[in-house]
Amino acid sequence: GQQVMQIPQYQHVQEGEDFTTYCNSSTTLSNIQWYKQRPGGHPVFLIQLVKSGEVKKQKRLTFQFGEAKKNSSLHITATQTTDVGTYFCAPSGGSNYKLTFGKGTLLTVNP
Amino acid sequence: NAGVTQTPKFQVLKTGQSMTLQCAQDMNHNSMYWYRQDPGMGLRLIYYSASEGTTDKGEVPNGYNVSRLNKREFSLRLESAAPSQTSVYFCASNTGYGTDTQYFGPGTRLTVL
Repeated sequence: GQQVMQIPQYQHVQEGEDFTTYCNSSTTLSNIQWYKQRPGGHPVFLIQLVKSGEVKKQKRLTFQFGEAKKNSSLHITATQTTDVGTYFCAPSGGSNYKLTFGKGTLLTVNP
Repeated sequence: NAGVTQTPKFQVLKTGQSMTLQCAQDMNHNSMYWYRQDPGMGLRLIYYSASEGTTDKGEVPNGYNVSRLNKREFSLRLESAAPSQTSVYFCASNTGYGTDTQYFGPGTRLTVL
């Protein structure tokens, strides 16, 4: 599967601050998916990016796919305590229908 | 629809004991997956089944076996549990086509003493 590196591994913010996690690959990705896992919970699909340079928004969350399709980011504006959890990226598509998850970024929010 | 269900939710084993983790989905999905999650390691694929009747190794298959019992059910067996298999195990499923997303079960928290 396609390998990706996620940074940072951990991020602690004050409520109201912004947060960004990055997903980087050394190879060109077909598509990329993002998942969120709340503490004690299971991963839940957030979004999939397919096109070069694509930007998608879900309320306070903004997802980007790089022009070269080698990196992606998730930005949360004005974090809330409900944003706490681990965010994973996972390359998808192409001839490989398996997902290889990044190690994730654990976000904690101080109220 | 229940989605993806897993049993049991929690399990404690002694080294050398065996057990089977059960997974079932009611979404008529073709593909099913078993992952383990350890702190700082993300989700690692143990085995997967692209379709009924097929199974393949993932990234960390040693010490595990799987059975795709039918289209709905995919079980994971630990023949002789070891402390290194202490982990949270997630089952997931999807249609198996191209870019389809995966739906995860609630997980089984396994401790091997």
